[in-house]
Amino acid sequence: DAGVIQSPRHEVTEMGQEVTLRCKPISGHNSLFWYRQTMMRGLELLIYFNNNVPIDDSGMPEDRFSAKMPNASFSTLKIQPSEPRDSAVYFCASSVLGTVSNQPQHFGDGTRLSIL
Amino acid sequence: SQQGEEDPQALSIQEGENATMNCSYKTSINNLQWYRQNSGRGLVHLILIRSNEREKHSGRLRVTLDTSKKSSSLLITASRAADTASYFCATDDRVGTSGSRLTFGEGTQLTVNP
Repeated sequence: DAGVIQSPRHEVTEMGQEVTLRCKPISGHNSLFWYRQTMMRGLELLIYFNNNVPIDDSGMPEDRFSAKMPNASFSTLKIQPSEPRDSAVYFCASSVLGTVSNQPQHFGDGTRLSIL
Repeated sequence: SQQGEEDPQALSIQEGENATMNCSYKTSINNLQWYRQNSGRGLVHLILIRSNEREKHSGRLRVTLDTSKKSSSLLITASRAADTASYFCATDDRVGTSGSRLTFGEGTQLTVNP
């Protein structure tokens, strides 16, 4: 079975540019999560969706960040304009529908983003 | 708020030995999960333990939960070099009046030497 698929795996771009990260969750999973991982702050939840609807976006750091889930098999995380402090590994995860804590989450291998 | 905090931050053992990692948290929880992360990869779910459970096993993994002490431990028995990874606990963290999120600790870096 295919796991969570993220693209691109690596992204290097200059500050001010728009960055779009993509995620395909596991088929049949109704919850999708975007996380950011840095050495300084660890793994942080940015936003999550249930049935394509954003439920909690309180972790989105600024208005420069936006996320969409137009259908059950695709989500994007966009940063516009990007800044060097956005450099991190961004993970997408999915799970079957449940409460946040009572279902295992399945992670993609992440997008390593470097903003110069 | 940072819920789970792992201890130790780093652990180095020889193959065949047991590895124990601890997680402490601050507020009451419904469930606690453990994940593993290999270098350059995403997190992999290992085990979920509910607040009314005290111990759970999965293969060479044993997880305990002590809600009175707000702590959990992950024991890996007969460790292998392939167990080398970072291990994270994750707990549900209340957000606002009715929401929650899964909050991950900073992890324990386990190195198993052949």
